[in-house]
Order: sequence, then structure tokens, then C-alpha cells
Amino acid sequence: NAGVTQTPKFRVLKTGQSMTLLCAQDMNHEYMYWYRQDPGMGLRLIHYSVGEGTTAKGEVPDGYNVSRLKKQNFLLGLESAAPSQTSVYFCASSYIIFYGYTFGSGTRLTVV
Amino acid sequence: GQQVMQIPQYQHVQEGEDFTTYCNSSTTLSNIQWYKQRPGGHPVFLIQLVKSGEVKKQKRLTFQFGEAKKNSSLHITATQTTDVGTYFCAGYDDYKLSFGAGTTVTVRA
Repeated sequence: NAGVTQTPKFRVLKTGQSMTLLCAQDMNHEYMYWYRQDPGMGLRLIHYSVGEGTTAKGEVPDGYNVSRLKKQNFLLGLESAAPSQTSVYFCASSYIIFYGYTFGSGTRLTVV
Repeated sequence: GQQVMQIPQYQHVQEGEDFTTYCNSSTTLSNIQWYKQRPGGHPVFLIQLVKSGEVKKQKRLTFQFGEAKKNSSLHITATQTTDVGTYFCAGYDDYKLSFGAGTTVTVRA
């Protein structure tokens, strides 16, 4: 049972490039989330999904897009990367509301 | 939206000592969750508290939910080097968790 798998684990982008981060879970969880973590700022929610085909904005959605075409996958896209998007990105999933989250191991993204 | 504040931001502890970290919310929480993140790792779910005044224990860790459901605490007794990491509390805001900034714990052997 893999849990939540994030790919890639590391990436360096040039300003203006685009990329997609993939999150896959094999626990049949309904809810999925994308967070970014910056030093001293905890975990900030970017976008989330409460079910296949649904997405919603979180606290810091600007510059990101998401898609949840299949229940097990949640994709995070950066259309035009900026240095301010340098961060560690975590995907998480939960069975339903009020359950604990299972996090992936993270993607460390550097934009130069 | 809901804001969850944690204090202290950093906790430097002598091995064997006890310490407590606190979590405060600006609004009443339906429940509160605690997570631990080891250095270089990802957050791992520890526990969830739901009832007013609830107290739960996990070995040397004691979690408490305030009577008014607006605050929580994590108390660790006889700190060990394995306790190193950042502890986050989080409260539900609609369908998603709002995380505090965390308490980063270092241990002096």
C-alpha cells in the first residue's frame, strides 16, 4: 500500500517555464489537497478537491491550477513559474471530512 | 477565515525534560488535529480531538482540547532525541484543515 505518491521529488525550473506536479493516492480517499510549505509559515493551502471532477481555491491559489479528472489523481500546474513559487509542495488526502490527512513525501521546487 | 496560532515557534529542550506547546484559535473548533514533521520529512497525523475538555495520551505525549474548544495543548514528558521535529496543530475550516505555523523542537543531549 503506497499511500500518497508525489512526483517528481525535486525540480529546478527557470522563470517562465511550466510544469505539472502529480499526486496519486491508492486509498480510495475522497478529498485531496495541495499545500506549500515555506520556512516559518507552516502549511498553506493552494487548492483542494472534495471529489472527482471538483476543485476549489485555497488560501494561496494565484499562479496555480489543478485538475482532478480521476479520483486517485490530483495534478498541480504552474503555467509560468516565478521565483516566489520556490517552495516545498505537499499533497495530502483524506477519506472524508474530519479524518486525518495522509501526506506525500513532498516535491522540492526551485525557480531560478 | 479561521486562524490557528501556535506558541512557541521554537522550543529547545534538554533531553529528559518536559515541555508543552500551545495552539489557539480565533474561532470555536469542531475538532483539532496534531501532526509531527521530522526534519526533511512530511507531516504525519498523530491524533484528533473532538470533545470539549478531551484528553488523549500516546505514550509520553498528552494532548488536550480546551473546554471552550478554542485551544489545545501538546505536552511531552521526558523528552527524547526522537521527539525532534515540528509539531503542527490544525483545525477544520469548512472542508479543509487550517494549519498553525508549528513549534519546532530541538533536543540537547
